[in-house]
Amino acid sequence: QQQVKQSPQSLIVQKGGISIINCAYENTAFDYFPWYQQFPGKGPALLIAIRPDVSEKKEGRFTISFNKSAKQFSLHIMDSQPGDSATYFCAASMYQGAQKLVFGQGTRLTINP
Amino acid sequence: KAGVTQTPRYLIKTRGQQVTLSCSPISGHRSVSWYQQTPGQGLQFLFEYFSETQRNKGNFPGRFSGRQFSNSRSEMNVSTLELGDSALYLCASRGGTANTGELFFGEGSRLTVL
Repeated sequence: QQQVKQSPQSLIVQKGGISIINCAYENTAFDYFPWYQQFPGKGPALLIAIRPDVSEKKEGRFTISFNKSAKQFSLHIMDSQPGDSATYFCAASMYQGAQKLVFGQGTRLTINP
Repeated sequence: KAGVTQTPRYLIKTRGQQVTLSCSPISGHRSVSWYQQTPGQGLQFLFEYFSETQRNKGNFPGRFSGRQFSNSRSEMNVSTLELGDSALYLCASRGGTANTGELFFGEGSRLTVL
């Protein structure tokens, strides 16, 4: 119930295309869903996050779509650029007196020029 | 503003030894979390400290421990190292007390156990 399942494991997209990464969760108590971006040799960095009271959040070229009934959420990267090549992690958490993030397994995204 | 600083960045140990990793959070942040990152298991939560108190703990054996000092700096210790402990250990800090604050990660300490 604590798992977050992420797909695909790897993704190759042409420059200018749309990258889509999907995540699914089981625990309905999760109330915070962030996406992290990680470059080689660096720690993860928060990209965008959503709460379950909205169905979509957009920040620049990055959009989270959230489907509460299906317990799924996805990251869309519009006009994908080579600089977006990185590993992306979805995550979820719930308030338990602390913020404990449960991460998906990660998606290695490659944007071909 | 300086980010989260972790030391050492790289270290090699042998089975049975112990290791201590250090984390300095962003100035003013009182919450420090630790995560283990491996290719097989991904990112897994170890524990979180807030104002020197452990608030939450992940599913790791007692060989993994941590503490936080009054200046919010944190250390984690792994005793009796096993080969499977080889991983990138990430520290993250967060401001405020609620569960909505952004986690800022350091670059990690890469531990290799031989």
